Amino acid sequence: DVKVTQSSRYLVKRTGEKVFLECVQDMDHENMFWYRQDPGLGLRLIYFSYDVKMKEKGDIPEGYSVSREKKERFSLILESASTNQTSMYLCASSFNILPNEQYFGPGTRLTVT
Amino acid sequence: ELKVEQNPLFLSMQEGKNYTIYCNYSTTSDRLYWYRQDPGKSLESLFVLLSNGAVKQEGRLMASLDTKARLSTLHITAAVHDLSATYFCAVNTDKLIFGTGTRLQVFP
Repeated sequence: DVKVTQSSRYLVKRTGEKVFLECVQDMDHENMFWYRQDPGLGLRLIYFSYDVKMKEKGDIPEGYSVSREKKERFSLILESASTNQTSMYLCASSFNILPNEQYFGPGTRLTVT
Repeated sequence: ELKVEQNPLFLSMQEGKNYTIYCNYSTTSDRLYWYRQDPGKSLESLFVLLSNGAVKQEGRLMASLDTKARLSTLHITAAVHDLSATYFCAVNTDKLIFGTGTRLQVFP
């Protein structure tokens, strides 16, 4: 079974703090993704990566950066957390070949106060 | 810009009844996915539909894809309470675009 793990289920941070969200997958997937999920807005793609050290902006990259130093690990960084970044963050991974099915981690519910 | 629309957004149905959730999308794609999300949990993959006319079934759920109409359906047969969840469709072009989700509540 594919396993995608995220470092924290719940996280509370203060405004202005630097926040790291970690995601690890154990299936040797090439692709990894970070989404945020907000009520009424659905899932929105923040960043994704097709390979080690490669990254691509998604639909809402502002205020975020990512790092992929190893194939199995994809980190999302909030450089200076703000209250509007309070959200559920979901990591996903997939192979680079069909069916490209994405497997999701359990999610991190981040609250910025 | 690719848009993915689901309807209804909310569905309350009685156990034993049948219903269909619709997923319309605005551009050409031959890959569509259905996911389930329980409250407070992550997304679980239900179906992967890769070609026009594809039909997949698992238990009381059946998904189909019509790429010409840009439409996928998720049909629920004889609903049970355990099916209560939010269901998302997602269309893949160069990235995955999710629908808004359909929150399904099944009551006795």
